[in-house]
Amino acid sequence: AQKVTQTQTSISVMEKTTVTMDCVYETQDSSYFLFWYKQTASGEIVFLIRQDSYKKENATVGHYSLNFQKPKSSIGLIITATQIEDSAVYFCAMREGSALGRLHFGAGTQLIVIP
Amino acid sequence: EAAVTQSPRSKVAVTGGKVTLSCHQTNNHDYMYWYRQDTGHGLRLIHYSYVADSTEKGDIPDGYKASRPSQENFSLILELASLSQTAVYFCASSDLGVEQYFGPGTRLTVL
Repeated sequence: AQKVTQTQTSISVMEKTTVTMDCVYETQDSSYFLFWYKQTASGEIVFLIRQDSYKKENATVGHYSLNFQKPKSSIGLIITATQIEDSAVYFCAMREGSALGRLHFGAGTQLIVIP
Repeated sequence: EAAVTQSPRSKVAVTGGKVTLSCHQTNNHDYMYWYRQDTGHGLRLIHYSYVADSTEKGDIPDGYKASRPSQENFSLILELASLSQTAVYFCASSDLGVEQYFGPGTRLTVL
């Protein structure tokens, strides 16, 4: 069974606007960790932001923030004031608390920022 | 300086041949991972390791072996390469429970 699902294949937005990318996950663990990664056109994969399941506050790093809705098993990535260089593929990932570091990745969402 | 490096960055192999992909990290992390990425898809875990001289199977281990001779080094071995193993392979390292840091990837083409 797929544990992490990203239904948006591709999103196009105008530069300097805000975009939200969706991600839903499945787990039986009471403790888990959620991550967002960015893969650039060169193939580089970069960690962006993390949410621990026991934390109620949404994580924020720079112009990235999360919308964590635990009852809906949802972790959305919000990018404010998008820039051209935000164009990339964004992956959502989950690590279950019992899983010794193993990550489950979604299929990714391609973001295109239009100047 | 890159903390996770992979070699080679690109390789063409023949069907049935042996392929070894290498990964080196300077993060002092205990955990290391091998993923494969197929065009237009996310990453799938092949093997991982949390201590030297020990490896664990991931979600798609068939056709792959792994070796962790030291904390810094982790290799992925394809004993008999097949066409279906054409993909981009990523190595990553982490401490338990926190984010993983990825290498630049190795593009493997099996002909």
